[in-house]
Amino acid sequence: AQTVTQSQPEMSVQEAETVTLSCTYDTSESDYYLFWYKQPPSRQMILVIRQEAYKQQNATENRFSVNFQKAAKSFSLKISDSQLGDAAMYFCAYRSADAGNMLTFGGGTRLMVKP
Amino acid sequence: DTEVTQTPKHLVMGMTNKKSLKCEQHMGHRAMYWYKQKAKKPPELMFVYSYEKLSINESVPSRFSPECPNSSLLNLHLHALQPEDSALYLCASSRGSQGPGNTIYFGEGSWLTVV
Repeated sequence: AQTVTQSQPEMSVQEAETVTLSCTYDTSESDYYLFWYKQPPSRQMILVIRQEAYKQQNATENRFSVNFQKAAKSFSLKISDSQLGDAAMYFCAYRSADAGNMLTFGGGTRLMVKP
Repeated sequence: DTEVTQTPKHLVMGMTNKKSLKCEQHMGHRAMYWYKQKAKKPPELMFVYSYEKLSINESVPSRFSPECPNSSLLNLHLHALQPEDSALYLCASSRGSQGPGNTIYFGEGSWLTVV
């Protein structure tokens, strides 16, 4: 079974600064997808970014980018120019390419943004 | 703006009540999901419907009864719940249930309190 670990329960960042959230996962599969979801106080889970394991290029979405290290099974999220609206719980998630569309979530990292 | 709509946003029910949570999506997705989320925890998968058929039931107690009347609608019928069932219930959908590109999109959730 796959496991996803987020080792930082809480992080804080100054507005306009850069922060990196860590995620590691354990799998024996070679084909899979990785996601970062954001859950603000409104509680809706919002997709931030997605990475296909077969792609070597790191995904980027505006201020959000990932550092995907397949051999190390690491998938960190970098948020540049942090904004107050970035404050939220961030969940890293894994999905196998074969075993249906089931997400395995990490425990989450609460990000606080200081003005 | 979410394209997965859940109603009601908040629900308080007694342990002898029967109530339902409703979820609707108009993205043409053929897979729909129910997740349960306790405070400060990641979402836990409850049910998966694929092409209106129940494909995954994660050993959920029978007091939770899902229903998928058509490809756009997903209900969760609640009966004889316990206080420990109080949680955020998230509905989600994806284009399909397998293969690449089937990113899961979440609704805003329904807060359930059992008294």
